[in-house]
Amino acid sequence: DQQVKQNSPSLSVQEGRISILNCDYTNSMFDYFLWYKKYPAEGPTFLISISSIKDKNEDGRFTVFLNKSAKHLSLHIVPSQPGDSAVYFCAASNEKLTFGTGTRLTIIP
Amino acid sequence: NAGVTQTPKFQVLKTGQSMTLQCAQDMNHEYMSWYRQDPGMGLRLIHYSVGAGITDQGEVPNGYNVSRSTTEDFPLRLLSAAPSQTSVYFCASSYSGGNTQYFGPGTRLTVL
Repeated sequence: DQQVKQNSPSLSVQEGRISILNCDYTNSMFDYFLWYKKYPAEGPTFLISISSIKDKNEDGRFTVFLNKSAKHLSLHIVPSQPGDSAVYFCAASNEKLTFGTGTRLTIIP
Repeated sequence: NAGVTQTPKFQVLKTGQSMTLQCAQDMNHEYMSWYRQDPGMGLRLIHYSVGAGITDQGEVPNGYNVSRSTTEDFPLRLLSAAPSQTSVYFCASSYSGGNTQYFGPGTRLTVL
C-alpha cells in the first residue's frame, strides 16, 4: 500500500519555464512534508519542507504547496535551470519518513 | 563536518556471502536509518534507530541486521546475501525520525 505517490515518473521542461512536480498521500496523520533532490551516484539532498499547518513555503526559486483537503502537495521551480535536472522525491513524516517513488525532471536548454 | 559517510561505495557479493555496510555520522544525531533504493520503488526503510542501544524494523527488514553501540555508527549486516538484495543502500541521520534526514552517498551492492 503506497502511502505516498508520485504518479509522474518523468517530466521535461524548457529552461526558464516553470517545473511543477506533484505528490499525493493517503495518511491524514502525516504532519510534515519534504522534497529531496537526487543526482546520479549521490545521496538524496534536502530541498524544502512544509508543516501540515501551513499551505505554502517558499525558498528562492522553490515553492512547496500543500492542499490538505486533497491530500496533495506540489513543488514549483521557477525559473527552471539545467542544474535542476535530477530525480525528485517527496516524503511525508509521521515519526518516520515515507518516500514516494520519485520523478525524473529533465530541463531542456 | 563530514556529515554522513558510508563504506564501501561499491560491492559485489556471491549468493550466500555475508557482509557489513558501514555508516557513520558526526552531527550528534540520535536518529539513524537505512534505506534501499530500487527502480520504481523509491526509498524504502530497512531498519532505524532512535538512539544508542535501540533499533527497530522498517518496511523491508528481512535478511538484514543492525546494531547501534554508539551514537555515531550504525552498521547494516547482510547475513546471507541473495540476488533480491541487489540495490543501492543509503544511510541517513537526523535529530529525530520526523525531522529532515541527511543522507550518505550510498553503497551500490550487486549480489550474483
